[in-house]
Amino acid sequence: DSGVTQTPKHLITATGQRVTLRCSPRSGDLSVYWYQQSLDQGLQFLIQYYNGEERAKGNILERFSAQQFPDLHSELNLSSLELGDSALYFCASSAGQGEETQYFGPGTRLLVL
Amino acid sequence: DQQVKQNSPSLSVQEGRISILNCDYTNSMFDYFLWYKKYPAEGPTFLISISSIKDKNEDGRFTVFLNKSAKHLSLHIVPSQPGDSAVYFCAVQSYNTDKLIFGTGTRLQVFP
Repeated sequence: DSGVTQTPKHLITATGQRVTLRCSPRSGDLSVYWYQQSLDQGLQFLIQYYNGEERAKGNILERFSAQQFPDLHSELNLSSLELGDSALYFCASSAGQGEETQYFGPGTRLLVL
Repeated sequence: DQQVKQNSPSLSVQEGRISILNCDYTNSMFDYFLWYKKYPAEGPTFLISISSIKDKNEDGRFTVFLNKSAKHLSLHIVPSQPGDSAVYFCAVQSYNTDKLIFGTGTRLQVFP
């Protein structure tokens, strides 16, 4: 158990809908990262928050957004969903910034029908 | 453009033998290198890491080697055990960014 929790574990929805994925980092960790794993793309970095502030952006679509709350949990919002958004979404956390090991949650499997 | 490559999608090794997983990267600016293991329906689990100032790091049965001139990273597992059967991802990180760039993974199967 990495100490990172993600809910829900599975999500099935329809195209055009909006969903919210939730992540609670390990106790004491200030950084939260979101990654997407799809069949053909591997694990891709989406976005990072550090202590409530956006720190880095990767290959995140404009239809996707995230935030980190004062209690350090994070939410990833996916809107106007398309079939191609079906993937595993992982959250990771680390103590701070830089060369800190990232610990991953169990992921949320999203299926868009 | 794939910056991190794991050219072997799968590897099969007998229990007790050595497993060697390889990873190549393109950018010499990467300075932190990691290996993660992933079981089905679980998130990646951190295994071992190495900084660019070192060429070897050992942790029990796991050893990571870094060859900076060749831009090559390898993970040795000795002795291999059936419980090591999983997908192994290498990942790299630059000093000025926290994001991890992952390879495509190698599926290791350790058979009795």
